[in-house]
Amino acid sequence: ETGVTQTPRHLVMGMTNKKSLKCEQHLGHNAMYWYKQSAKKPLELMFVYNFKEQTENNSVPSRFSPECPNSSHLFLHLHTLQPEDSALYLCASSQDPGLGGTQYFGPGTRLLVL
Amino acid sequence: AQSVTQLDSQVPVFEEAPVELRCNYSSSVSVYLFWYVQYPNQGLQLLLKYLSGSTLVKGINGFEAEFNKSQTSFHLRKPSVHISDTAEYFCAVSALAGGTSYGKLTFGQGTILTVHP
Repeated sequence: ETGVTQTPRHLVMGMTNKKSLKCEQHLGHNAMYWYKQSAKKPLELMFVYNFKEQTENNSVPSRFSPECPNSSHLFLHLHTLQPEDSALYLCASSQDPGLGGTQYFGPGTRLLVL
Repeated sequence: AQSVTQLDSQVPVFEEAPVELRCNYSSSVSVYLFWYVQYPNQGLQLLLKYLSGSTLVKGINGFEAEFNKSQTSFHLRKPSVHISDTAEYFCAVSALAGGTSYGKLTFGQGTILTVHP
């Protein structure tokens, strides 16, 4: 688990705030992912980056804005969120998006939108 | 596209009893299959995966799973559980190759395993 770190671990924000979630992987992987985990719902893939290029945007609202400056770092910029956006946001990385490669997950950021 | 159904949302068992967590999937293409575990306040950790070869896959912590292509199932089993196995377990699939689903993990809803003393 220490191969993928996420900060902050907990975040409370108002609907008018702007905040950012950070993910860092120390595994030398080329692909990074953002997932949303809501109560009683399956994990939802939000974004995929491969070699710093976004290869997947799973119809995510524009109030979520990802950024991948290099293969080790991934950010999720948040602005004008809604209470229904409250969830656990998980970052993951893998060597390759395909070929059955294992995705390694961080501990997540627990987000509460008031 | 793929879909995954975990047939039990909660499974309570007593310590040292055997357990089976059920997973069925649907896909128009061949898939890789995974089981992940999530302990409280942690991210997901891979338990085991099936890519090819033997349909019986052994993973960490004494877990194993069997791929049954005809029944499109990938059930997770452990012959004797411990208190420390209490966690949420997720079954997932990803497309073998090609198409818009390539490389994407599709998860089931999760099964909460609670082991009682």
